[in-house]
Amino acid sequence: GENVEQHPSTLSVQEGDSAVIKCTYSDSASNYFPWYKQELGKGPQLIIDIRSNVGEKKDQRIAVTLNKTAKHFSLHITETQPEDSAVYFCAASGSNYQLIWGAGTKLIIKP
Amino acid sequence: GAGVSQSPSNKVTEKGKDVELRCDPISGHTALYWYRQSLGQGLEFLIYFQGNSAPDKSGLPSDRFSAERTGGSVSTLTIQRTQQEDSAVYLCASSFWPKYEQYFGPGTRLTVT
Repeated sequence: GENVEQHPSTLSVQEGDSAVIKCTYSDSASNYFPWYKQELGKGPQLIIDIRSNVGEKKDQRIAVTLNKTAKHFSLHITETQPEDSAVYFCAASGSNYQLIWGAGTKLIIKP
Repeated sequence: GAGVSQSPSNKVTEKGKDVELRCDPISGHTALYWYRQSLGQGLEFLIYFQGNSAPDKSGLPSDRFSAERTGGSVSTLTIQRTQQEDSAVYLCASSFWPKYEQYFGPGTRLTVT
C-alpha cells in the first residue's frame, strides 16, 4: 500500500546550525507534499508545502525540495532557533484527497 | 477566524466506560478527519468524512470505535468499553475539500485508568 518513510526519528542540532529531515514516498501519483510542525501539547500545524510541478520552495528560514524521480522530498531549516524544537511530520497526497503521513521527526535545538 | 475546536481537552475515564469526544471543524470545511496519537508516536488515521459521502472507516481499530458527523459539521467520536490501550491524544482535522491542506484542533487527551 501507499506509505511515507521519514528519517531521522530524532535530530539534535546546535542552535544556529541547519537541520534536514528527509521523506520517501511510494505512490507515484502523489502530487502534494506538506510539512507540519507539532509543538508540545498542540495539534500539528502546516508550515510549508510543495506541489509536484515545483522542485523547491522557500519561506524565510525553511525550504522544501522535491525529487519526483527518486520520490524523495526534504525539509531544510537554516539558522535554527530554540523555537524550532518540535516534532515535524511530512506527508504525501493519497487517494480521495487524504494524506499519507510520515512517522515524525523530533527536532531538538541545543543552546 | 475560528480554528478547529475539540472538547473536552482532557478526559480521564475508568476502564469499561464509554466516552464521547467532540470536534467542531472550521466553518465551511466539508472534510473532517480523526486521528489517534499515542505518546511520542505518529498520527494514526481513524476515520474520514467528506460531505454526504459514506465515511472512510478503514482506520478504526475495533468495533468499539465509532464516529458520526451531524449536519455536515460537528463530529463525535465514541469509544465504547474503553481499554487502557485507548489512552492517547485524539486529534481532529478539517479541510476545504477538494484541497489537501488539513487544519488540526488541539486534541483531546484521553486517559483510561
